[in-house]
Amino acid sequence: DPKIIQKPKYLVAVTGSEKILICEQYLGHNAMYWYRQSAKKPLEFMFSYSYQKLMDNQTASSRFQPQSSKKNHLDLQITALKPDDSATYFCASSPGQSNERLFFGHGTKLSVL
Amino acid sequence: QQKVQQSPESLIVPEGGMASLNCTSSDRNVDYFWWYRQHSGKSPKMLMSIFSNGEKEEGRFTVHLNKASLHTSLHIRDSQPSDSALYLCAASDTNTGKLTFGDGTVLTVKP
Repeated sequence: DPKIIQKPKYLVAVTGSEKILICEQYLGHNAMYWYRQSAKKPLEFMFSYSYQKLMDNQTASSRFQPQSSKKNHLDLQITALKPDDSATYFCASSPGQSNERLFFGHGTKLSVL
Repeated sequence: QQKVQQSPESLIVPEGGMASLNCTSSDRNVDYFWWYRQHSGKSPKMLMSIFSNGEKEEGRFTVHLNKASLHTSLHIRDSQPSDSALYLCAASDTNTGKLTFGDGTVLTVKP
């Protein structure tokens, strides 16, 4: 029974298109994150949110925009997709923001053709 | 510049053997270290964490930490084929709490 739900599990997109990756957590956590994992960069921090506020952004490109409509939701909108964006995107959460264990969702595997 | 360095990149041990994995942070602001395990096609799951100098043991897994050198190591005794996975070390920043992961060590346990 997954407590962090990511949708979809697999996603194929064409170059230049826009996609939204969905993440909902039912652990009652206050902090949520996005990480990206590819063969080139094993597990790369992208964003962190605490109480629906952006706390840290390590993604250089504005094509990646997190969206938090509720405390337990943190979606990721990606525009103008490029083949280099192909990766598995993991959503994670933790009870608080400092020195807390991360719980990961199963990931969304994105392939950009 | 990679702030969390792991070695070796890959490791093969026989079933029942000891696996030793290393991790060092170059960021002096870190105070917590974490070890995550990721089986192929799955998401990372936390194995152990340590923030005090010394050693911590949980079953077949032992973690060491030297805060002066910001070095941690994970030792798996009586390794099992089910231990075959990517082992990720992470360090959290004292000020921001942000977790930075290393590139990982791929462990293969041969039956």
